[in-house]
Amino acid sequence: DVKVTQSSRYLVKRTGEKVFLECVQDMDHENMFWYRQDPGLGLRLIYFSYDVKMKEKGDIPEGYSVSREKKERFSLILESASTNQTSMYLCASSYRDRAFDEQYFGPGTRLTVT
Amino acid sequence: AQRVTQPEKLLSVFKGAPVELKCNYSYSGSPELFWYVQYSRQRLQLLLRHISRESIKGFTADLNKGETSFHLKKPFAQEEDSAMYYCALRANQAGTALIFGKGTTLSVSS
Repeated sequence: DVKVTQSSRYLVKRTGEKVFLECVQDMDHENMFWYRQDPGLGLRLIYFSYDVKMKEKGDIPEGYSVSREKKERFSLILESASTNQTSMYLCASSYRDRAFDEQYFGPGTRLTVT
Repeated sequence: AQRVTQPEKLLSVFKGAPVELKCNYSYSGSPELFWYVQYSRQRLQLLLRHISRESIKGFTADLNKGETSFHLKKPFAQEEDSAMYYCALRANQAGTALIFGKGTTLSVSS
């Protein structure tokens, strides 16, 4: 049973704080992804990684960075949190180079920046 | 540019009525198309993918390349179908991520 876990379900941070969101998967997936989910906007890709230490920008990378030091772990970093980063953050993982392969999602972290 | 359009934010139907959730895509190559579903307080999960051509929970979706559509259909809606549905596309090449539509909330009432 594939498991993608995220470090927190709910997080409240202050404007300007540095925020770390952690994601761990146990399926030996090469690909890992960070999305944010907002009502009316759907899921938007922030960053993804297809291998350790590799990263690619998604559609909305501004204000975020990522780290992938180990295959199973993908971290999203908000260098200086702002109120417009209040959102639901979803992590996902999948195998690389498998056509029509499923992406497995974590439960999400609801981040509120005050 | 790759794009997925779900024109309806909300679709409300009665139990037993047919359901069609619309999805149109823009991509010049051969796309991989998916429907993902998120039930209340559950994580986002795969519902079906166009290559498998199977019925999942009574839902089917057919890829129409001429109309660039991948509509999700079910002949008789159930209350447990109420959820957020996302259509997603991935370019048929290695190392690419899913592109999601904005989602449609399906509400089935009795």
